[in-house]
Amino acid sequence: DQQVKQNSPSLSVQEGRISILNCDYTNSMFDYFLWYKKYPAEGPTFLISISSIKDKNEDGRFTVFLNKSAKHLSLHIVPSQPGDSAVYFCAAMSEGNEKLTFGTGTRLTIIP
Amino acid sequence: KAGVTQTPRYLIKTRGQQVTLSCSPISGHRSVSWYQQTPGQGLQFLFEYFSETQRNKGNFPGRFSGRQFSNSRSEMNVSTLELGDSALYLCASSSGQPGGTEAFFGQGTRLTVV
Repeated sequence: DQQVKQNSPSLSVQEGRISILNCDYTNSMFDYFLWYKKYPAEGPTFLISISSIKDKNEDGRFTVFLNKSAKHLSLHIVPSQPGDSAVYFCAAMSEGNEKLTFGTGTRLTIIP
Repeated sequence: KAGVTQTPRYLIKTRGQQVTLSCSPISGHRSVSWYQQTPGQGLQFLFEYFSETQRNKGNFPGRFSGRQFSNSRSEMNVSTLELGDSALYLCASSSGQPGGTEAFFGQGTRLTVV
């Protein structure tokens, strides 16, 4: 049972444009949602998180939007840069439980 | 502040052998979680240790075990290795406190079972 889903395995975006990565979840008990960036053969790097009581969190070029009624979140990267090319994972967790439930990832390619 | 350190980075083992992986968390972090990443299954949670106690466990067979020491360093052991255990094993470190959401990952240990 895939509780966190990233339905787009890959995405290509022109440099300077906006990249939008999407994530859906089924478990309404999740309290936090996180985005990680991952390069091959390395561990995921934390990017940004959002609490379930908020609908938006912004950090520099990264903004995460949460739509609880739709059980959907998205990560916006503006402007997109070549160094953003990586696999992006959406993850969710419940308060008091360190277990992260990951989506399957979206490979983002920024085209110069 | 040093990051999460995992050793070794690469490991090749034969079917039936056992292996021990090590993880040193960020200083001050008391929670260590282990994940397995494979192309087919993605990132799967193995277990989490906090203050030397296993606090959470994923859906893996008993061949996968772990422990945590008083300095928060953690080890993961896999016995009777199978070909399907070939994967990138990742360790994540966090404060383990309520509201402390960010988990920081190490570089991982690439295990190949032949």
